[in-house]
Amino acid sequence: GNSVTQMEGPVTLSEEAFLTINCTYTATGYPSLFWYVQYPGEGLQLLLKATKADDKGSNKGFEATYRKETTSFHLEKGSVQVSDSAVYFCALSPDDKIIFGKGTRLHILP
Amino acid sequence: GAGVSQSPSNKVTEKGKDVELRCDPISGHTALYWYRQSLGQGLEFLIYFQGNSAPDKSGLPSDRFSAERTGGSVSTLTIQRTQQEDSAVYLCASRISGGRNEQFFGPGTRLTVL
Repeated sequence: GNSVTQMEGPVTLSEEAFLTINCTYTATGYPSLFWYVQYPGEGLQLLLKATKADDKGSNKGFEATYRKETTSFHLEKGSVQVSDSAVYFCALSPDDKIIFGKGTRLHILP
Repeated sequence: GAGVSQSPSNKVTEKGKDVELRCDPISGHTALYWYRQSLGQGLEFLIYFQGNSAPDKSGLPSDRFSAERTGGSVSTLTIQRTQQEDSAVYLCASRISGGRNEQFFGPGTRLTVL
């Protein structure tokens, strides 16, 4: 079946640190992969996506590369800011249904 | 508005009462989803509508939960005989059909069952 596993939080980092949030998946076929973000008090919004193997999605300094050989879609950012504090959800979409990971809460300390 | 809207934004009810939550998707989006997010938890899939096809109800936690989508647009999630464990934020999302397309989420309805 299709599933998403992402690292459990919370993750706490200092400002300007390097961030990696791991996400791996199991899927049949060739799903699209997404990262969604939920800032405090706000709704979920798309952060980035990749629709085929080796694609790199990027937005707001975040990047994730669709790695079919390792079935991964890790989220990275070179220098985090306090404003990046949020909950991050990895998701895959093999068809019209989207499967979400459990979310990773990120705290950035000034 | 151009986004997904949900109403009410907050609902407080007493245990045992029925509640209805409404979702207005983005015009032209054929797929509509309901999720539940409990405090500090991830997204729990509830139900999914795609066009005129039979909905995927596999995530509904009990027969007290039901949803309908009228005219391929507005959807209503109904919870009968609410229980305290139903307290959560109920999120609606819509998307253009196709796995490559992102979901657009509404702001959610915060349900509190006393």
